[in-house]
Amino acid sequence: AQSVSQHNHHVILSEAASLELGCNYSYGGTVNLFWYVQYPGQHLQLLLKYFSGDPLVKGIKGFEAEFIKSKFSFNLRKPSVQWSDTAEYFCAVMNTGFQKLVFGTGTRLLVSP
Amino acid sequence: DVKVTQSSRYLVKRTGEKVFLECVQDMDHENMFWYRQDPGLGLRLIYFSYDVKMKEKGDIPEGYSVSREKKERFSLILESASTNQTSMYLCASSSNRGSQETQYFGPGTRLLVL
Repeated sequence: AQSVSQHNHHVILSEAASLELGCNYSYGGTVNLFWYVQYPGQHLQLLLKYFSGDPLVKGIKGFEAEFIKSKFSFNLRKPSVQWSDTAEYFCAVMNTGFQKLVFGTGTRLLVSP
Repeated sequence: DVKVTQSSRYLVKRTGEKVFLECVQDMDHENMFWYRQDPGLGLRLIYFSYDVKMKEKGDIPEGYSVSREKKERFSLILESASTNQTSMYLCASSSNRGSQETQYFGPGTRLLVL
């Protein structure tokens, strides 16, 4: 069965620092990949997604993620974080042709001003 | 914009009570999902539905059932609530049209079972 690992459970950064959150999945077939974000008190929102094509995907609010098939990875990056990026970030994987999303356990990011 | 709404933001119930959580989406999506979200465990799929009156078990269906009598509405039922069902419950929906399989989430219902 598909599984998703997010290695960092808690990350604390100062404003303007660079961010990279790791995500690895287990299944080696064709997958769709997602990053969702949950800001404090808000519902889960899509940050970016990869279905096919260019493995470097750009999302909202300056986030990007790179799909590296050989490493089964889909790491999230942002060159300079802001206090408003404080949130919980979830990586999720869907095996193509199936509607089930498998989520990682999430990473809580705290950005100090 | 896709809108997924859930009937309650907060619920407090007693052990043994029957609990209904309602979810409605307004985008004519075929697929609907119920997850529970727990700290350190992420989101886990309870049940999902591909169509009206269709349901499939997710990863943790024990203690839950669902109902989908209309396309826009998907209900989660706790037949006899237990304290270990205290959690945040999230509903989501997605479309089969094209290849856009993005799931859209509701605001969540935080359930406390005493």
